[in-house]
Amino acid sequence: DQQVKQNSPSLSVQEGRISILNCDYTNSMFDYFLWYKKYPAEGPTFLISISSIKDKNEDGRFTVFLNKSAKHLSLHIVPSQPGDSAVYFCAAVKLVRDKLVFGAGTILRVKS
Amino acid sequence: GAVVSQHPSRVICKSGTSVKIECRSLDFQATTMFWYRQFPKQSLMLMATSNEGSKATYEQGVEKDKFLINHASLTLSTLTVTSAHPEDSSFYICSARDGGPYGYTFGSGTRLTVV
Repeated sequence: DQQVKQNSPSLSVQEGRISILNCDYTNSMFDYFLWYKKYPAEGPTFLISISSIKDKNEDGRFTVFLNKSAKHLSLHIVPSQPGDSAVYFCAAVKLVRDKLVFGAGTILRVKS
Repeated sequence: GAVVSQHPSRVICKSGTSVKIECRSLDFQATTMFWYRQFPKQSLMLMATSNEGSKATYEQGVEKDKFLINHASLTLSTLTVTSAHPEDSSFYICSARDGGPYGYTFGSGTRLTVV
């Protein structure tokens, strides 16, 4: 049972443009959501998160939007830079379980 | 910020041998650590949750006798892959709860290859 889904395996964007990474979830009981960036052969690094009671959180070039009615969240990166090229994982957590549930990841390629 | 050190980064072992992977929290105490496994082009799958001083909690389908987890101190958790076989070859990543509001810090991962 895949509770967190990232349906786009890859995304290619031109440098300077906006990258939009999408994530859907099925469990309405998640307390917050996180985005991680991962390079090959490295562990994920935390990017940004959002509580389930919010609908937007912004940190520099990164903004996460949460649409609870649609059980959908998205990560916007603007402007995109070549160094943003990596795999992006969406994750969700229920505080009482203290367990991260990851999506399958989306490979982002930013072309210069 | 919080740092989790994971060693080794790469290990190649012969089939039938055991391999130990260490995960250390360097500047904080981690009462809870998590072990993940990632197959190529797939997501990170949680294998087990380890709590300092108690037995690990394994996810469904994970063999506890094959993947031994020890969390003997507040800064160290180890994963031992016993009697490794080629199908155990994978990327293993640990993570620690670092006490922040959204605090899960990940190690850099271990690429295990069993030949």
